[in-house]
This record gives sequence, C-alpha cells and structure tokens, in this order.
Amino acid sequence: DAKTTQPPSMDCAEGRAANLPCNHSTISGNEYVYWYRQIHSQGPQYIIHGLKNNETNEMASLIITEDRKSSTLILPHATLRDTAVYYCIVSQGYNFNKFYFGSGTKLNVKP
Amino acid sequence: EAGVTQFPSHSVIEKGQTVTLRCDPISGHDNLYWYRRVMGKEIKFLLHFVKESKQDESGMPNNRFLAERTGGTYSTLKVQPAELEDSGVYFCASSQSGAGAHEQYFGPGTRLTVT
Repeated sequence: DAKTTQPPSMDCAEGRAANLPCNHSTISGNEYVYWYRQIHSQGPQYIIHGLKNNETNEMASLIITEDRKSSTLILPHATLRDTAVYYCIVSQGYNFNKFYFGSGTKLNVKP
Repeated sequence: EAGVTQFPSHSVIEKGQTVTLRCDPISGHDNLYWYRRVMGKEIKFLLHFVKESKQDESGMPNNRFLAERTGGTYSTLKVQPAELEDSGVYFCASSQSGAGAHEQYFGPGTRLTVT
C-alpha cells in the first residue's frame, strides 16, 4: 500500500513558503515521486512530479534528495487557497500509475 | 477543454439496490482510473483502463463491482447489490498515454450513500 510517510499536519503563514516533507525510503529506481492535493472534498489535483532531478513548475518546486529516499514540496508563497491535504505518492509512472494516496499532510495556511 | 465529468454527483440508495456511476474522461485520454474513499479511510485505487481494456483491476473489492469502458470512451461502475460499506466518494481520473500519463485529471466525484 502507501509507500510514503508524511506528517499529518502543518501550519504556514500566508505569503510564506510552505515546505512539505515526504519520506519514501523504499522507492525503486524506476519509480517517480508525485505530489497531489485535495481541497475540501474536490477531486485530487496534480501538482508536480519528478524522478531524480529537482523540478519546478508554476505551482511548486520539488526537491528530491540524492539518494531519492525523501523529497520536499515547496509552495513558494502560500495563500489561503493552498489550504488542502497534500499527498506524496510514489509510482512507476506512464501507464502503470496505480496511486496509493496514504493519509497525506493537512496544510493550514493562516492569515 | 472540458474536464473529467462524473454522474451523478450524489446518489442515495437502499442496501440491496443497484447503482451505476458514470465517468466521462477528457477527450483523447486513453487511461481511465477509478478510485474511492470510504468514510474515514484513504483514497483507494480500484481499477485502471487503457482504452477499453482493463490494465489493472486489483483494487476492486469484490464481484459486486463491475466496471466497463465500451469503445474506450466513457466508463461505468456498477455496484450490485449495494452494501452499507460501499458508501463513500467514488472518483474517476483520466490521463494521456506515455509521458502524459504522469498527470491524472480527477473528476469531482460521486458521493454514494447506501442506507
């Protein structure tokens, strides 16, 4: 089942960077790291993914350690609308993406 | 571009009845997934279609659940007969093939209540 470990909750001040950690010590060489989030009861929303290198898109940055056993999702300027449950997922990618969502981290962005 | 749509948004049925959930993926997406979250639990994978073929149905809980994707377009998930423990939110997601498969687009979900 879930192959990742995340803290159950985190707080962040609005406008500050939110750094969400994830441990995935059993990750295989061909597995990707994905981050999704779920706002309220909506369907999960894709944020970013990576294999080895750090990645950045318009939403966030993903920092993966050199041994790939952990990663950090960075929301550079958190807003109140970023309050959500954030899921770190490892999966083989491509047409083999059977996601295990785990419990995630509830990020509370406060004014 | 229209997103993934699911119908109905909410369904209330009695134990023993049959319910059919529908998912319309984003046009052109070969991959279609079903997930569900039962009360208080995590989101769980149910199955994965590639076009009209079942790639992986290892998450289907039992033979009361039947998923189809005729013609590789929309998909249906039938629960027959429904049990109380089937209550929860059923999500559908779709993605492109190849490198596009990294991003799954989720629908808003169907909330199923079995009484």
